[in-house]
Amino acid sequence: QQPVQSPQAVILREGEDAVINCSSSKALYSVHWYRQKHGEAPVFLMILLKGGEQKGHEKISASFNEKKQQSSLYLTASQLSYSGTYFCGTAYSGANNLFFGTGTRLTVIP
Amino acid sequence: SQTIHQWPATLVQPVGSPLSLECTVEGTSNPNLYWYRQAAGRGLQLLFYSIGIDQISSEVPQNLSASRPQDRQFILSSKKLLLSDSGFYLCAWRGTRTDTQYFGPGTRLTVL
Repeated sequence: QQPVQSPQAVILREGEDAVINCSSSKALYSVHWYRQKHGEAPVFLMILLKGGEQKGHEKISASFNEKKQQSSLYLTASQLSYSGTYFCGTAYSGANNLFFGTGTRLTVIP
Repeated sequence: SQTIHQWPATLVQPVGSPLSLECTVEGTSNPNLYWYRQAAGRGLQLLFYSIGIDQISSEVPQNLSASRPQDRQFILSSKKLLLSDSGFYLCAWRGTRTDTQYFGPGTRLTVL
């Protein structure tokens, strides 16, 4: 039930865009995105509850495609502060847990 | 508002020594609580979760145990640490309205 994240790592220059994908083999109830800075705990970014829903947080937005059982995180005009590892957490109906992907390490360079 | 505390922040322990990590949550009642371990550069491994006092589910069989003596207190223990127990231990609580989990600051454990 662990979702698959891609890519595993990406390096961007400031101002460039990136997309991180999170795919599930099982029907999703909700998707949760987190960012973890080096040496710190993961911080919640946003939740997507419905198929086709899109949400935004500063210049970071996400979509949830219920049919494809996947979510994508969009980082536009990246800033140095976006560097970190991004995790998706997936929830399934009836489960008490989130299942976390293996993470995508994003590095933004000047 | 809700806050989650973990202590200690860092810990260096010899192999074979006992362990006790504590997590407390403020500002919410009867939360679901979780213990995760994260090895260096790796993902989040769920160790235990609890839906109430003395209700603990173990996800990974190992030499660790968890207890929840009070509604907002979650403790991770070991009688004898192994080298492989080193890592970043994270406690999290889950809100009542959604499945979102919120993480504490973590405890970095080094077993030598």
